[in-house]
Amino acid sequence: EAQLLESGGGLVQPGGSLRLSCAASGFTFSSYAMTWVRQAPGKGLEWVSGISGSGGSTYYGDSVKGRFTISRDNSKNTLYLQMNSLRAEDTAIYYCAKWSSGNWYKYNWFDPWGQGTLVTVSS
Amino acid sequence: QSVLTQPPSASGTPGQRVTISCSGSSSNIGSNYVYWYQQLPGMAPKLLIYRNNQRPSGVPDRFSGSKSGASASLAISGLRSEDEADYYCATWDDSLSGVVFGGGTKLTVL
Repeated sequence: EAQLLESGGGLVQPGGSLRLSCAASGFTFSSYAMTWVRQAPGKGLEWVSGISGSGGSTYYGDSVKGRFTISRDNSKNTLYLQMNSLRAEDTAIYYCAKWSSGNWYKYNWFDPWGQGTLVTVSS
Repeated sequence: QSVLTQPPSASGTPGQRVTISCSGSSSNIGSNYVYWYQQLPGMAPKLLIYRNNQRPSGVPDRFSGSKSGASASLAISGLRSEDEADYYCATWDDSLSGVVFGGGTKLTVL
């Protein structure tokens, strides 16, 4: 059974940086694209970023493009999200999720999701 | 402001059938599959419906999905108290090369 466990969340000041990690188990990590989705307090879901199984292709939502960097270490079965120039509006629970294909492309879905890690951007 | 439009709330009594709508445009729902995710209170989202109307193993057949044009809907029949949750529709957006979500619908079982 695929399992995902996020870590690295916390309180950071505006303009600061934070790196999230997502440890994967129960499936062949390198065979699947991975993604980050966030949820601001009391709000809906927002796709943040996706990365192909090989790590060679990355994709970002407009609200984080140029500030966030997604990466993966297939030898460690771990997904990362480097978040720079953080803003108050980046405050959210960040979920990592397994994509149902090795390529980040249509016709696929998120399953499963991790339990999430909370990032709070505040002075 | 979400790309896909869902009603913020829905409700029903045990045993009833409820539907939740999701509307988009030709660049998202109109040309791609629709997915539904269930988020129980305090929990992470969970896949409920994939590729418009397919149920993952373990999801009861009380849940069904459909799509027509640039709109989709989720139907829940035989409503149960444990169905009380937030429901999100999602689809691929060709102009974004990414996934877009609806704003979510909070289902209350009266």
